[in-house]
Amino acid sequence: KAGVTQTPRYLIKTRGQQVTLSCSPISGHRSVSWYQQTPGQGLQFLFEYFSETQRNKGNFPGRFSGRQFSNSRSEMNVSTLELGDSALYLCASRLVLAGSYEQYFGPGTRLTVT
Amino acid sequence: AQKVTQAQTEISVVEKEDVTLDCVYETRDTTYYLFWYKQPPSGELVFLIRRNSFDEQNEISGRYSWNFQKSTSSFNFTITASQVVDSAVYFCALAPTSGTYKYIFGTGTRLKVLA
Repeated sequence: KAGVTQTPRYLIKTRGQQVTLSCSPISGHRSVSWYQQTPGQGLQFLFEYFSETQRNKGNFPGRFSGRQFSNSRSEMNVSTLELGDSALYLCASRLVLAGSYEQYFGPGTRLTVT
Repeated sequence: AQKVTQAQTEISVVEKEDVTLDCVYETRDTTYYLFWYKQPPSGELVFLIRRNSFDEQNEISGRYSWNFQKSTSSFNFTITASQVVDSAVYFCALAPTSGTYKYIFGTGTRLKVLA
């Protein structure tokens, strides 16, 4: 079974631009979560989507948004990029089923804002 | 508030040594999950183990073992006979069993296994 895939793997953007990252979960997984990883702040939860609805949101500004499609694929968008948005963005999927609580992560998208 | 502390920032060992990675957590929830993930240089977080708060049995999987002690809020991870391929950053994480499904991660421990 294929794992979580994320595209693109690397991105370089300029301050003020916007960016869209994509995540395809493991087949059958209906929950998708996004995390930001930086050397200073570590791994921080951005949001979780299930059945095309955002269920939870972390403590990030409104410039960070996301959505989920009917096939469970998810995108996250960051508008008006700032230098501090440079990070590894990780997507994780989860099989929403009793007894299954672990998340499986993709390889991440490394975003560099210049 | 929920918090996960991994006090060891970096550990270096020589191949074949045993090494223990510490994880201490704080939560007011009566039920919760604990996890360990491995992050090799490629960046992908690899799931290693999940432990339910009501199950304090220790677990062994090959060279890996986990010691969960609710009384001390610790969930430590031991690698026996370490190998160079074990070199990675290891994260401990905490999640509630209901409501928000948001992982709280520790800051990670970088393990370097030297040949």
